[in-house]
Amino acid sequence: EAGVVQSPRYKIIEKKQPVAFWCNPISGHNTLYWYLQNLGQGPELLIRYENEEAVDDSQLPKDRFSAERLKGVDSTLKIQPAELGDSAVYLCASSLGLRNEQFFGPGTRLTVL
Amino acid sequence: DAKTTQPNSMESNEEEPVHLPCNHSTISGTDYIHWYRQLPSQGPEYVIHGLTSNVNNRMASLAIAEDRKSSTLILHRATLRDAAVYYCILRDSANFGNEKLTFGTGTRLTIIP
Repeated sequence: EAGVVQSPRYKIIEKKQPVAFWCNPISGHNTLYWYLQNLGQGPELLIRYENEEAVDDSQLPKDRFSAERLKGVDSTLKIQPAELGDSAVYLCASSLGLRNEQFFGPGTRLTVL
Repeated sequence: DAKTTQPNSMESNEEEPVHLPCNHSTISGTDYIHWYRQLPSQGPEYVIHGLTSNVNNRMASLAIAEDRKSSTLILHRATLRDAAVYYCILRDSANFGNEKLTFGTGTRLTIIP
C-alpha cells in the first residue's frame, strides 16, 4: 500500500515569492492534516480536513497561507508571499477518521532566501 | 491540554533494551498516551498507544504507571534503525472533534553500535 505522497521534497525560493506544496493521502483516508515543523521542534498542526471541509484551521496564518482539498482527496498548501521565517519542513498526514493513527508523508523542506 | 515531559536525549547500545520515560503528572482520565517516532529526514510514524493497561505490539511495549502519571516506551532490542526522535503525546478522547496530536520536542535516541 502506498503511503502519503508529498511533492516537492525540497523547495528553495526567494522571499516574497509564492510557493505551493502538494499532498496525496493514503487511499480512503478521509482526514488530512498539514503540519509545520521547525528545526529541533515537533510538528505543529496548521489545518485539518474532514473530507473536503477544513474543520480546524485555527493555527493557519490566513494572511499568507491558504489550503484546499478539492474532491476530498489531494490537498495543496500555498504560501503567498513567502517570508524568511517560513523556512521549515511542511508535513502532510492522513488518517482513517480523527481517532485513528496518523500516517505522515516525508515532508517538503522549504528554504526561503 | 495536559503536557508531557521527556528527556532531551538518551543513548543506548545496540541489541540492548531501551526504556524511554515520559512524565504526564496532569493527565486526565480521558487522555490516551500515544507514542510516535521520527526517523531522520522522515515524517513521524505511529509506535503505540494506551489508556490504562500495558500494551504490546510488534514495534514496542508501553508500560503505564498505576496512577497514570508516567509511562515508559520499551524497545526490547534496539537496532541502529531505531535511532530517532520519540514523542510522547496525550490525546484527550473526551474532546471529540478536536482531538489533536500536540507534539513536544521529544527524546532523541542514539544507538551505539
